[in-house]
Amino acid sequence: DAGVIQSPRHEVTEMGQEVTLRCKPISGHDYLFWYRQTMMRGLELLIYFNNNVPIDDSGMPEDRFSAKMPNASFSTLKIQPSEPRDSAVYFCASSTGRVGGSIRDTQYFGPGTRLTVL
Amino acid sequence: AQKITQTQPGMFVQEKEAVTLDCTYDTSDQSYGLFWYKQPSSGEMIFLIYQGSYDEQNATEGRYSLNFQKARKSANLVISASQLGDSAMYFCAMRGVLLQGGSEKLVFGKGTKLTVNP
Repeated sequence: DAGVIQSPRHEVTEMGQEVTLRCKPISGHDYLFWYRQTMMRGLELLIYFNNNVPIDDSGMPEDRFSAKMPNASFSTLKIQPSEPRDSAVYFCASSTGRVGGSIRDTQYFGPGTRLTVL
Repeated sequence: AQKITQTQPGMFVQEKEAVTLDCTYDTSDQSYGLFWYKQPSSGEMIFLIYQGSYDEQNATEGRYSLNFQKARKSANLVISASQLGDSAMYFCAMRGVLLQGGSEKLVFGKGTKLTVNP
């Protein structure tokens, strides 16, 4: 089975431009997560969806960031306008959700998108 | 609030030897899960092993085992017979029980960079 797919793998853009990151979760997974990784802040959750519905977006840094999940197999994270401080690796992850009340629910990560904003 | 602490920024080990990567956590939840991920230089996040707070035995997955000491709130990763391919960043993460209005998010430590020397 294919893992989480992210595109593009690398993105270089100029400040002020719109950036769209894409993610295809593992088929059958009900949860989708967007994380950002930087040297200063480490790995931090931006937003997550359950059955295509955004559940917790408290980690989204500001209004320039938005995320959508129009269907079970596709999600986007958009930054508009982009700024140099948005440079980071953005990960998408998916999981099946809790089974029988167990919290043993592993999140599987995509390869990440390395974003550089000049 | 949940917190993960990894006190070893870097570790070195000789090939074929065992190494322990430290992880301590702080939570007020009675039920929680602990995860370890590996991030090689290529950047992807690879799930290694899981430990539930009520699991009676320490988790093992091949050469990976988890030294779980609940009273001390520690969940150290033990890698036996280190291989050159084990050189990577290793992240400890936890998730607590889902309370009403709570989040599924994983809280990550800052990571430990492991270098395996030939």
